Amino acid sequence: QQQVKQSPQSLIVQKGGISIINCAYENTAFDYFPWYQQFPGKGPALLIAIRPDVSEKKEGRFTISFNKSAKQFSLHIMDSQPGDSATYFCAASYRGGTASKLTFGTGTRLQVTL
Amino acid sequence: DGGITQSPKYLFRKEGQNVTLSCEQNLNHDAMYWYRQDPGQGLRLIYYSQIVNDFQKGDIAEGYSVSREKKESFPLTVTSAQKNPTAFYLCASSIRTGGLFFGEGSRLTVL
Repeated sequence: QQQVKQSPQSLIVQKGGISIINCAYENTAFDYFPWYQQFPGKGPALLIAIRPDVSEKKEGRFTISFNKSAKQFSLHIMDSQPGDSATYFCAASYRGGTASKLTFGTGTRLQVTL
Repeated sequence: DGGITQSPKYLFRKEGQNVTLSCEQNLNHDAMYWYRQDPGQGLRLIYYSQIVNDFQKGDIAEGYSVSREKKESFPLTVTSAQKNPTAFYLCASSIRTGGLFFGEGSRLTVL
């Protein structure tokens, strides 16, 4: 059962453009929504995360927008750069214990062209 | 530097053989995890451990086994019972319900 749906599967953006990746979740108990960035052959790295008590969080060129009523959240990359080319995963978890049992989306492969 | 070390980075296995993937962390994190990554399927949780000498099955535990004898170490054994073991395996750790910190991964190929 896929509890976090991510789209698009791949994305091509020109340098300087805005990259937008969307995720939707089903479990209303989820209360932690991180985004991970993964380069080929490497492990994912935490990029930015949000909790549902805020609708937006910005860190540098990266912004998470969160819509609790629609059960959707998205990642916006402003002024996209070739170095941003990577696979991005959204994820979600809930405070079900002391472990971060994240459920991941299927990933979006972003390519930023010159 | 603090981090998570996975070894080996690449591993080849013949059908019917068990293999063990190593994961060591020096972040003093209580919780550790193993994920499997396949193209187009994201990351799926195999096992996780919240404290030493305790671990729980994730979503795809069949054909895998783990141990947690030390806080720093969480090895994963891929047994011959795992029907499709070729994948990229990722170990991670965390403090309580915080974000996960991942290792560099181990790529297992069954010949």
